[in-house]
Amino acid sequence: KAGVTQTPRYLIKTRGQQVTLSCSPISGHRSVSWYQQTPGQGLQFLFEYFSETQRNKGNFPGRFSGRQFSNSRSEMNVSTLELGDSALYLCASSFNRGTTDTQYFGPGTRLTVL
Amino acid sequence: ILNVEQSPQSLHVQEGDSTNFTCSFPSSNFYALHWYRWETAKSPEALFVMTLNGDEKKKGRISATLNTKEGYSYLYIKGSQPEDSATYLCALWDNYGQNFVFGPGTRLSVLP
Repeated sequence: KAGVTQTPRYLIKTRGQQVTLSCSPISGHRSVSWYQQTPGQGLQFLFEYFSETQRNKGNFPGRFSGRQFSNSRSEMNVSTLELGDSALYLCASSFNRGTTDTQYFGPGTRLTVL
Repeated sequence: ILNVEQSPQSLHVQEGDSTNFTCSFPSSNFYALHWYRWETAKSPEALFVMTLNGDEKKKGRISATLNTKEGYSYLYIKGSQPEDSATYLCALWDNYGQNFVFGPGTRLSVLP
């Protein structure tokens, strides 16, 4: 079974731009969660989508948004990029809700904001 | 804000040693606890999902216990191997299942 895939793997943007990251979960998984990893803040939860609905959201500004499609693929969007948005963005999928089910992580997208 | 702590911050052990780490959390804010292993240049790997007080889980040489009443979980590695070198993270879902907070991690180095 193919693992979680994320595209693109690397991205360079400038301040003020917006970016969209994509995550394809393991086949059959219905939940996709997004995380941000920075050296200063560690790994932080962004949000979880399950059956096309956002179920949970971490403490991030409204510039961070996402959606999930009927095939469970998910996209994350960051608008008006700031230097502090430079980070590794990970997504993870699980069959059931990510709260109590094992999550499988993708390789991540490394975003650099100049 | 939910606070999850891990100790020690880093650990160096010899191959063959057994070791353990601690994850501490507010006992009043518990829904589920996840343990992950994160090796350098790889993605985090889920180890355990723990939901019940007294839970004990085992995966090969790694095991974990959970005490929700006192707010801690232990992760044990028996007979450490160099391939166990990684950062071990715990993460807590709060009692509303709404907020998921990661601890800072314990960085383990196993010396051959």
